[in-house]
Amino acid sequence: SQTIHQWPATLVQPVGSPLSLECTVEGTSNPNLYWYRQAAGRGLQLLFYSVGIGQISSEVPQNLSASRPQDRQFILSSKKLLLSDSGFYLCAWSVLRSQDRVSHEQYFGPGTRLTVT
Amino acid sequence: DAKTTQPNSMESNEEEPVHLPCNHSTISGTDYIHWYRQLPSQGPEYVIHGLTSNVNNRMASLAIAEDRKSSTLILHRATLRDAAVYYCILHLIIQGAQKLVFGQGTRLTINP
Repeated sequence: SQTIHQWPATLVQPVGSPLSLECTVEGTSNPNLYWYRQAAGRGLQLLFYSVGIGQISSEVPQNLSASRPQDRQFILSSKKLLLSDSGFYLCAWSVLRSQDRVSHEQYFGPGTRLTVT
Repeated sequence: DAKTTQPNSMESNEEEPVHLPCNHSTISGTDYIHWYRQLPSQGPEYVIHGLTSNVNNRMASLAIAEDRKSSTLILHRATLRDAAVYYCILHLIIQGAQKLVFGQGTRLTINP
């Protein structure tokens, strides 16, 4: 069965410090990978998605970047954190199905709660 | 991106059916309607999806209006574990990736 891991689970970082959040998926190959952020009391906002190694699409301009060095690894980074980067960061994956090439289910990880102080 | 409109909150009693409405008047002919739910401090969980016909699975049923401008998620017999924020989402495929645009969702409270 497929599983998705995120770490760390929680993180407190000062403003101006760097960030690296990691996400790995097991039990599937060539997944589509996604990074979302959820600010307190808000819905989820898609930040980045990737359809393959080294392929990153950004949805919104921001202080963050993403990389996909391996098929099942997705990393979210920042060189200098801002207060507004605080939130709940979620990684997710999905696959395209062969019959209709439409992926209908997206599977989310447990998330990382980031507090920038 | 096509948008959805949901009530901010709803309340129901345990073991009673729950009908969660969603309006999506700008839906296009190829948009699928997806529902996800999110429990506190967890990632969202896929519930159900549909295109034109009503759909049933082990978690819920999805009733889609004939003009597809609205839909209703039906929990047939709510339990306390169904208390969550429910998101109605129009599903887009962009460059082979699935793009979900989350709104504010409906916070469902289940009373014992």
